[in-house]
Amino acid sequence: KAGVTQTPRYLIKTRGQQVTLSCSPISGHRSVSWYQQTPGQGLQFLFEYFSETQRNKGNFPGRFSGRQFSNSRSEMNVSTLELGDSALYLCASSQGEGNQPQHFGDGTRLSIL
Amino acid sequence: AQKITQTQPGMFVQEKEAVTLDCTYDTSDPSYGLFWYKQPSSGEMIFLIYQGSYDQQNATEGRYSLNFQKARKSANLVISASQLGDSAMYFCAMREATIDAGNNRKLIWGLGTSLAVNP
Repeated sequence: KAGVTQTPRYLIKTRGQQVTLSCSPISGHRSVSWYQQTPGQGLQFLFEYFSETQRNKGNFPGRFSGRQFSNSRSEMNVSTLELGDSALYLCASSQGEGNQPQHFGDGTRLSIL
Repeated sequence: AQKITQTQPGMFVQEKEAVTLDCTYDTSDPSYGLFWYKQPSSGEMIFLIYQGSYDQQNATEGRYSLNFQKARKSANLVISASQLGDSAMYFCAMREATIDAGNNRKLIWGLGTSLAVNP
């Protein structure tokens, strides 16, 4: 079956703009998690959505927000972009119960100029 | 304090040899799960292997095995017969069963080990 699909793969924005990233999970998966990955900070958890509700949240400012739709697809929005937001944004899906592994998309590489 | 520690920022191994990537963790929760992921330079994160805290046997998946030493709180990944395609970053992660004060039960990640396989 199809894996996790993230769009777009690459994105270039300027400071102050906003951006929306999209993630389509594996069919049947109800949990979608978002991560920010940078060389200096490693993998940082942003938030997790399960059945359209935010279930977990990391320590990111309110400029980072997300949502999940009834078909489990998820979007992440970042407003008022800063240079430090340049990163690889990874989306992962899982069935959401117990200790099933998360399966990741290829990521969206966001560059802020 | 770091809950997941990967002490080897970088490792080299000769093709066809075995290599062990270290991971130690810190938890007081009796129920937890441990995961290893591989991230090639292309960026995608690939799930490799899972070990539950109550599993009696060490997990194995093809050339990957997990050396799980519960008392020492270590979950080292062993890759047998290394291949050039094994060159990547490797991440260890843990999920505890207990929900924390922030109502979170998220996956906690180590900083990774960069593995280079030499021909």
